Amino acid sequence: NAGVTQTPKFRILKIGQSMTLQCTQDMNHNYMYWYRQDPGMGLKLIYYSVGAGITDKGEVPNGYNVSRSTTEDFPLRLELAAPSQTSVYFCASSLTRDYNEQFFGPGTRLTVL
Amino acid sequence: AQKITQTQPGMFVQEKEAVTLDCTYDTSDQSYGLFWYKQPSSGEMIFLIYQGSYDEQNATEGRYSLNFQKARKSANLVISASQLGDSAMYFCAMMDASGNTPLVFGKGTRLSVIA
Repeated sequence: NAGVTQTPKFRILKIGQSMTLQCTQDMNHNYMYWYRQDPGMGLKLIYYSVGAGITDKGEVPNGYNVSRSTTEDFPLRLELAAPSQTSVYFCASSLTRDYNEQFFGPGTRLTVL
Repeated sequence: AQKITQTQPGMFVQEKEAVTLDCTYDTSDQSYGLFWYKQPSSGEMIFLIYQGSYDEQNATEGRYSLNFQKARKSANLVISASQLGDSAMYFCAMMDASGNTPLVFGKGTRLSVIA
């Protein structure tokens, strides 16, 4: 099992560019999550999904979009990158929502200049 | 809405000593879960320990234990016999039954273990 994998590990974007952060899990987990972690801060939830075809907003969804066409994949899309989106992005998954350990990917460090 | 407060931005501990990292939470739910994660300098998030609100016993996992005081809404992490490899950021998090925010994190505490 690879667990949760994320690509790319690092990326620098110019203001206004778009990109997709990829996230894949091979544990057949129903729940997947995207978090961002700003310097010196905890994680904030961007979007989450309870299964293929179902997504919902978290605490900080503005500027992002997600889709969940398969159980394994949960990509995060930035349409018009802004400096405020400079952060480390973590994807996570869990078997169910209720009090289950969330498995985290290694993170993507994104800088918007 | 849930909220996690970690009041210690940074802590130092001598190797082999025990250390307590504080965490208080706020929720109106009766049923919830509390988690601690470790984030070393390499950046990954490592699950350490979980405590359910209805668990009567404090959770323990190896050198980690959770001092859960429900009436005080506190869920402090105790690390016994600190090791140099314990130097990291530690995040307290909670999940409640609302379903709107599956996991809410505190701002973290940076622990430095001194030889």
